[in-house]
Amino acid sequence: NAGVMQNPRHLVRRRGQEARLRCSPMKGHSHVYWYRQLPEEGLKFMVYLQKENIIDESGMPKERFSAEFPKEGPSILRIQQVVRGDSAAYFCASSPSSGQVNTGELFFGEGSRLTVL
Amino acid sequence: AQSVTQLDSHVSVSEGTPVLLRCNYSSSYSPSLFWYVQHPNKGLQLLLKYTSAATLVKGINGFEAEFKKSETSFHLTKPSAHMSDAAEYFCVVSNTGGFKTIFGAGTRLFVKA
Repeated sequence: NAGVMQNPRHLVRRRGQEARLRCSPMKGHSHVYWYRQLPEEGLKFMVYLQKENIIDESGMPKERFSAEFPKEGPSILRIQQVVRGDSAAYFCASSPSSGQVNTGELFFGEGSRLTVL
Repeated sequence: AQSVTQLDSHVSVSEGTPVLLRCNYSSSYSPSLFWYVQHPNKGLQLLLKYTSAATLVKGINGFEAEFKKSETSFHLTKPSAHMSDAAEYFCVVSNTGGFKTIFGAGTRLFVKA
């Protein structure tokens, strides 16, 4: 049973370019969460999605950042016109669908590390 | 509202000595509590979880944590540290259903030979 898959693992972009990070949740999971981790800091919640719905985006910057989780395919975190401050590790996590017992445990991918030059 | 405070940003122990990583929480609900470990350049791995069953929770790699409601604490312990335990540890509080999950700032554990 494959775990949470994130790609790319490493991404380098120049200022002003776009970054797209993809996350495939564990099989049977329909809840996806994105977190950002700056160097030497903890994880900051960005957004929580279910299939085709954004449930909570209270941690998303108001501009340049967007997320989606389509009916088919992976969840995508999109950062437009990247700046150096966007350099961070972005982690995706998934949890079981609401029809199953959900204790709040999150299953994490290994992260996508974005470097903005 | 929920919050979680990890009381130490860094902890250093010698190999073979006990480990104590401290975590206090606040929650308006009956919380679920978790400890995750993150090794360098890796994702987070669940160590253990408390979900209103036994207050003493045993996890992987010899770690355990005790839920103390009166102290609103969920400290992580291990009797004897190993070099491979050196990592970042996160205490996490979540409400039922996991729809609101809050991470602590993390505690970096150093293990000296």
